[in-house]
Amino acid sequence: DTEVTQTPKHLVMGMTNKKSLKCEQHMGHRAMYWYKQKAKKPPELMFVYSYEKLSINESVPSRFSPECPNSSLLNLHLHALQPEDSALYLCASSLAGGRPTYEQYFGPGTRLTVT
Amino acid sequence: LAKTTQPISMDSYEGQEVNITCSHNNIATNDYITWYQQFPSQGPRFIIQGYKTKVTNEVASLFIPADRKSSTLSLPRVSLSDTAVYYCLVGGGYQKVTFGTGTKLQVIP
Repeated sequence: DTEVTQTPKHLVMGMTNKKSLKCEQHMGHRAMYWYKQKAKKPPELMFVYSYEKLSINESVPSRFSPECPNSSLLNLHLHALQPEDSALYLCASSLAGGRPTYEQYFGPGTRLTVT
Repeated sequence: LAKTTQPISMDSYEGQEVNITCSHNNIATNDYITWYQQFPSQGPRFIIQGYKTKVTNEVASLFIPADRKSSTLSLPRVSLSDTAVYYCLVGGGYQKVTFGTGTKLQVIP
C-alpha cells in the first residue's frame, strides 16, 4: 500500500470554527509533513514530524496546530482561521528523517475554504 | 539552501521529447536533485532523483553536468497525460524541503 489518505477532501469553515484535517499512511514511514498550497503556487512546507516528534515548524501561526498521535496518523487542528488561509493542504510521508533525499509520498489534499 | 530557477511554462507536441532545465548555481556538496510532477488538485508525485551524471528510470531521465549547477529532466515521447507542473528540488542532509516555482508543461495534440 503506497497511498497517503487525507480527509476530508473539501472543508468549508467559518472564522470562529474549530476543525481538523486528518492524514494516514500505512507504508511504515517515520516522517510526515504538512504543506500549504495556494493556487498556481508551489507547496510550502508547514510542519515536519520525524518519529512522531515535531522536528520542523516553519513559523506557522498558532491557529494551525499539528498532532502526530502515532506513526501512521497526522492531524492538523484548525482554529480561528482567516480567509487568506484558504488553500489546498497536502500531507506527505517519507521513509525517515524528513530529509529532502527521501522520496515523499503525497496525499490528494484537503481543499479548505475559510468564509 | 540552494535556490532553483526553472522556466515558468513550456509547450510541446505529443510524441516529442521534452527537456526541462533547472538552474541551481549554489548547490551544496551533499545536495541531491529531485523532480516531482503535480496534476491539478492532486499532490505532487516523485519522478526521479540524482546526484551527478545521468539517472534513468521507467518514466524519465535526469542529466546532471559535472559542475552540478544545473540539471535537465527529460521526458521521452510525451502524451497529453504528461500535462502537469514539474518541480525541481535541491537539498540534502536535514535541510527542509523547498519546492521551486515549477514549470507548467502543456502537451498539445
